Amino acid sequence: NAGVTQTPKFQVLKTGQSMTLQCAQDMNHNSMYWYRQDPGMGLRLIYYSASEGTTDKGEVPNGYNVSRLNKREFSLRLESAAPSQTSVYFCASRGTRLNFNQPQHFGDGTRLSIL
Amino acid sequence: AQSVTQLDSHVSVSEGTPVLLRCNYSSSYSPSLFWYVQHPNKGLQLLLKYTSAATLVKGINGFEAEFKKSETSFHLTKPSAHMSDAAEYFCVVRPNFGNEKLTFGTGTRLTIIP
Repeated sequence: NAGVTQTPKFQVLKTGQSMTLQCAQDMNHNSMYWYRQDPGMGLRLIYYSASEGTTDKGEVPNGYNVSRLNKREFSLRLESAAPSQTSVYFCASRGTRLNFNQPQHFGDGTRLSIL
Repeated sequence: AQSVTQLDSHVSVSEGTPVLLRCNYSSSYSPSLFWYVQHPNKGLQLLLKYTSAATLVKGINGFEAEFKKSETSFHLTKPSAHMSDAAEYFCVVRPNFGNEKLTFGTGTRLTIIP
């Protein structure tokens, strides 16, 4: 069972470069999420998509864009990377927006360093 | 508004002794509460969830948590620690009225002493 798959697992960028983090889920989930994890701060929501075709800002959206390509895929783009975006990025998915008891399922993360 | 406070950033226990990881929450509505575990270089895995059905919730790997509304607490316990329990644990809250946004605690790192 693949669950939530993130690519790449590791990436090093130079300041100003752009890149896209990919996420795909095979559980037929409606909702998908992008988080960043920084030491001592838990996870913070960047963007989420409650269903195919919709996206909404989370707690820390500045410097990021997202695309819900289809029901399976939700990508996160850094247009001009900054050192402050060095972090571990997690994608998650959840079954249906109508059942709020359902937990989120997480990928293994993308470790991104901006030099 | 909602918030989560994990009272200990680091807990160390000896193998075979009880584990207690503390979590207090605040929420304007009757919340759903979760505990997740994160092993090194891995994503978060659900341990257990509280959704108002029962105040004592049993999860995977022998963990359980008790929801205490009067104390606004949701502490995680395990009777006997194993070496494999060494990981970071996150307490998470979500309002039941439909907000997609979870609020995560800052995490508690559990170390098991052989």
